[in-house]
Amino acid sequence: EVQLVESGGGLVQPGGSLRLSCAASGFTFSSYWMSWVRQAPGKGLEWVANIKQDGSEKYYVDSVKGRFTISRDNAKNSLYLQMNSLRAEDTAVYYCARFKAYEDLELLVYYYGMDVWGQGTTVTVSS
Amino acid sequence: EIVLTQSPGTLSLSPGERATLSCRASQSVSSSYLAWYQQKPGQAPRLLIYGASSRATGIPDRFSGSGSGTDFTLTISRLEPEDFAVYYCQQYGSSPPRSLTFGGGTKVEIK
Repeated sequence: EVQLVESGGGLVQPGGSLRLSCAASGFTFSSYWMSWVRQAPGKGLEWVANIKQDGSEKYYVDSVKGRFTISRDNAKNSLYLQMNSLRAEDTAVYYCARFKAYEDLELLVYYYGMDVWGQGTTVTVSS
Repeated sequence: EIVLTQSPGTLSLSPGERATLSCRASQSVSSSYLAWYQQKPGQAPRLLIYGASSRATGIPDRFSGSGSGTDFTLTISRLEPEDFAVYYCQQYGSSPPRSLTFGGGTKVEIK
């Protein structure tokens, strides 16, 4: 079964740090771009970060640049999000997601969609 | 950064009715790099549509996507009870995806 399982969430004080993990199983983890997406309580989805298959490219939403670091260990089939200098506005459910590539043979282009998601882990930043 | 605006914010419909959800981009979305997701309370999102109009694996054909450039639409031809949820559009600007944005969501509720 294809699965993503997040862990590492919890309650942390403003300015503190947390490291989220996402364990992948049932597919060749090293073949996929991966992503972190978060959802603040009662709010919509917000993309946080992406990482290429080999970890050589990483991209972040502006609000977390310089504070969060996405990484992966393909030998352990795991994705990580190191979160430093946490703020109240980082409070959210954090999801990891797999980016699947869909090839359009006619247009010779790849489309992408987040086709597998974890169940989410909750991060609460509060004093 | 491309901003996606979804409308309406809430859609009140009855089972069996047709739902039309709009997603408008602040600038043209390259090569229809747009996807749609469904999210039910307490659950992770589910991919419905990629490439603006292609259904993901296992998605019923009552769901369809259309549009290009700055205007995109998700249509649910006949609402089933399990379709009442929040729907998000997402654009990613390039292939493979580097940065991306989600729309604010449209809630489809039972009238």
